[in-house]
This record gives sequence, C-alpha cells and structure tokens, in this order.
Amino acid sequence: DIVMTQSPVSLPVTPGEPASISCRSSQSLFDSDDGNTYLDWYLQKPGQSPQLLIYTLSSRASGVPDRFSGGGSGTDFTLRITRVEADDVGTYYCMQRRKFPPTFGQGTKVEIK
Amino acid sequence: QITLKESGPTLVKPTQTLTLTCTFSGFSLATTGVGVGWLRQPPGKALEWLAILYWDDDKRYSPSLENRVTLTTDTSRNQVVLTMTNMDPVDTATYYCTHSDYTNYEGLDYWGQGALVTVSS
Repeated sequence: DIVMTQSPVSLPVTPGEPASISCRSSQSLFDSDDGNTYLDWYLQKPGQSPQLLIYTLSSRASGVPDRFSGGGSGTDFTLRITRVEADDVGTYYCMQRRKFPPTFGQGTKVEIK
Repeated sequence: QITLKESGPTLVKPTQTLTLTCTFSGFSLATTGVGVGWLRQPPGKALEWLAILYWDDDKRYSPSLENRVTLTTDTSRNQVVLTMTNMDPVDTATYYCTHSDYTNYEGLDYWGQGALVTVSS
C-alpha cells in the first residue's frame, strides 16, 4: 500500500493568518497516462463526517471557499489556507487513489490559538 | 439532493458477523460511473478505506480485509450492505458510506453521518 505521511500532526493557527499542511506519499501519485495526480483532501470538523475539500490535487469541491488550495507534485503535496477562519478547525486528511487501495494520511489537527 | 445513511447494530460480540446497511437517495446505482464506498475510523484514529461497489456491480475490497468483507446491493431499495465476519475489538470504529462518480471524478463527495460500532463481549 502507498503510505501517506502528513505534517504537522497538530497546527495551532491564528484567525486571519495563512496556514499550510504537508502530505507526502511513499510513491508518486502522478499518472503519466492521463496527466492527473490522484490526491484528495478532506476536512473532518469536530463531531462530523469528513467532507471533501480538494480532489485530483488542486480542484476545489463545490462550495469550498477559494481560501483553500491544493498543490504539489510527485510525492509532495500541500494544502494551503490563505486566511484561516474559526470554522476551519478540525482534522485534515490527505488521501491517495493512484494505487489500490486508497490510503489516508494520519491527519493534521488544526486548532485556533 | 444526495444523502446516505448508515444503519445497523451499535454493539457486536467478538467473532460475530457485522451487517451494516447504507441507504441512499438522490442518485441511482444504475447510473454509469457511480460508486458507493465504505470506510471506517477507529476512535481518535485516521480513516481507513474498506470497499466499494460500482454501478456495474463490480466490487473491490481492501486486501487487508478481503477475506472478511462482502458488499451486496438491493438496487430497488437503494441500499448497499456491508458484511464483515469474525469481528474483533480492533474493528471498533465509526463506519461511513460514501458516494462518488467515476465518470467525472470529484472526490468522495457525499458521506453518511457514520455508524459507531463497538465490538465487545
């Protein structure tokens, strides 16, 4: 299985400030056949089900504010929040679907300072 | 409006078989590209992908659980059933079902509320 490693594990943030979360995969998630990088990001707010933020590296899901952006290449990826809001707290997960089975990172817990 | 909801027992004994039902609305499993997946999350831990059933009745299972997990469907009732045999306390988790569309993939775009299953004698 492809191993996904996120950092940091915990991220205290200040509202209005930027934040970024790193995700690294044990194998490249780039598919040269179609040019896609198969990396998604999910946010699980406290007490809720996960919700989709970003799919296929950098496409924002419907309704996701443009404060959120995904990027990276190969095995190194980043989720960026330009200006953190209080509603952004929760645990963020990256997920690869380049190789079966899909696998998740261990999560990054974002908290307000 | 797509919705999914998991249902089933909250407590099962070790060695028993777990049966969870995902009842969905707002889409059809007969539609090309649609997939209904199952994932789980042990308390305080990360997400784990378990299995998926596709519109064409193809099914794929996580290799680590392939011998224990089975998916079946009742298309007329808009349900996908997850069966997991030989339950163990380490299988204690919240189980989620999800929707995805593989003709124009946009992630696991809808999730159920989750069903917490505790395995204990």
